[in-house]
Amino acid sequence: QKEVEQDPGPLSVPEGAIVSLNCTYSNSAFQYFMWYRQYSRKGPELLMYTYSSGNKEDGRFTAQVDKSSKYISLFIRDSQPSDSATYLCAMKPLLTGNQFYFGTGTSLTVIP
Amino acid sequence: DSGVTQTPKHLITATGQRVTLRCSPRSGDLSVYWYQQSLDQGLQFLIQYYNGEERAKGNILERFSAQQFPDLHSELNLSSLELGDSALYFCASSVVGNTQYFGPGTRLTVL
Repeated sequence: QKEVEQDPGPLSVPEGAIVSLNCTYSNSAFQYFMWYRQYSRKGPELLMYTYSSGNKEDGRFTAQVDKSSKYISLFIRDSQPSDSATYLCAMKPLLTGNQFYFGTGTSLTVIP
Repeated sequence: DSGVTQTPKHLITATGQRVTLRCSPRSGDLSVYWYQQSLDQGLQFLIQYYNGEERAKGNILERFSAQQFPDLHSELNLSSLELGDSALYFCASSVVGNTQYFGPGTRLTVL
């Protein structure tokens, strides 16, 4: 079983839709949770960073962490064609080790 | 712009050859991470250095090696290259280790 599971999609939505992207994980030691956006053939760009449980909002983006269910989500409101990219979740334990664990990414297309 | 730089952007070489990829972290970041991303795979963690010392090792082949220099830049050396080594290689850096910022990547093509 992989440490981090992410549905690869692809996901296709009309412009203006609310997008929900999700990851599940198995390691209860994960405390830091991140979402990255990666455009084709570019480096991943940090979108959201959350410590432990709860919600964090930044503009049209909301990150949620539910540690009891080992489940994290990224919501994109009023989706735009420029949001079309691959979204990667990543997570890291608090103390044990320095490695970041990435999901395989979800490919999103927002149709104008 | 994340502040992490990688050179070269593109590299085309032949099987059996050796190449060196270079990474300069963001100013002040002590940790450097290397990742490989193939077309059909996600980001595969290779290795991490912190202030010149190896800190964590992932799925790095024995043909691959890395180091971090006193000025904190890092190099990833890939030798005896095979067709399957063709991929995007990313470097990322962090300061406190709780998140990381990625460079633009080096696209390696092995013919």
